[in-house]
Amino acid sequence: DTGVSQDPRHKITKRGQNVTFRCDPISEHNRLYWYRQTLGQGPEFLTYFQNEAQLEKSRLLSDRFSAERPKGSFSTLEIQRTEQGDSAMYLCASSLTSASTDTQYFGPGTRLTVL
Amino acid sequence: GQQVMQIPQYQHVQEGEDFTTYCNSSTTLSNIQWYKQRPGGHPVFLIQLVKSGEVKKQKRLTFQFGEAKKNSSLHITATQTTDVGTYFCAGRRSNTGKLIFGQGTTLQVKP
Repeated sequence: DTGVSQDPRHKITKRGQNVTFRCDPISEHNRLYWYRQTLGQGPEFLTYFQNEAQLEKSRLLSDRFSAERPKGSFSTLEIQRTEQGDSAMYLCASSLTSASTDTQYFGPGTRLTVL
Repeated sequence: GQQVMQIPQYQHVQEGEDFTTYCNSSTTLSNIQWYKQRPGGHPVFLIQLVKSGEVKKQKRLTFQFGEAKKNSSLHITATQTTDVGTYFCAGRRSNTGKLIFGQGTTLQVKP
């Protein structure tokens, strides 16, 4: 399967713990996006990278959230001191950007439950 | 900040009936994309519209981008049970890679 992969698929943690998610994009894609989705809502933009550079970050992303893409390939999203409100599906998407299109291909997501 | 609103939130139709979802942005968009998410699945890209007034068709699906590039619609003719899912529009402004998604319209089709 050469699509976007995410690991783990499910994570249950206790409030106050740190969690880290990984995303492996489609290999030739230069852009990588992180979104958060709660039930009944559309994906909410968190941040995106072009190669290894983090170009934009949502103001909704508190300082407990950090993302990296150190070699311009896979990315990690870390949430420190988790809160119950962090419970959601965390989606990663990648794209190969050109002048005319930026189709995003989504991974299966990591479902986080904070107890 | 930029907002993208979608209506209706839910739509139940009888198989064979038509369906339309509408998307409105608070700001002018560079382009708009449409995605479909099946229950338990992840969003899957359907189409991108870039030009003012653009209309694109994919079999029974017709997508439109408004003249002012602030609204869009998706129309499905003669729905089938395979059309079930949530349809999201997502808008992008110029000079940013950020996509803002609408809340989605969930379509249920009764056979």
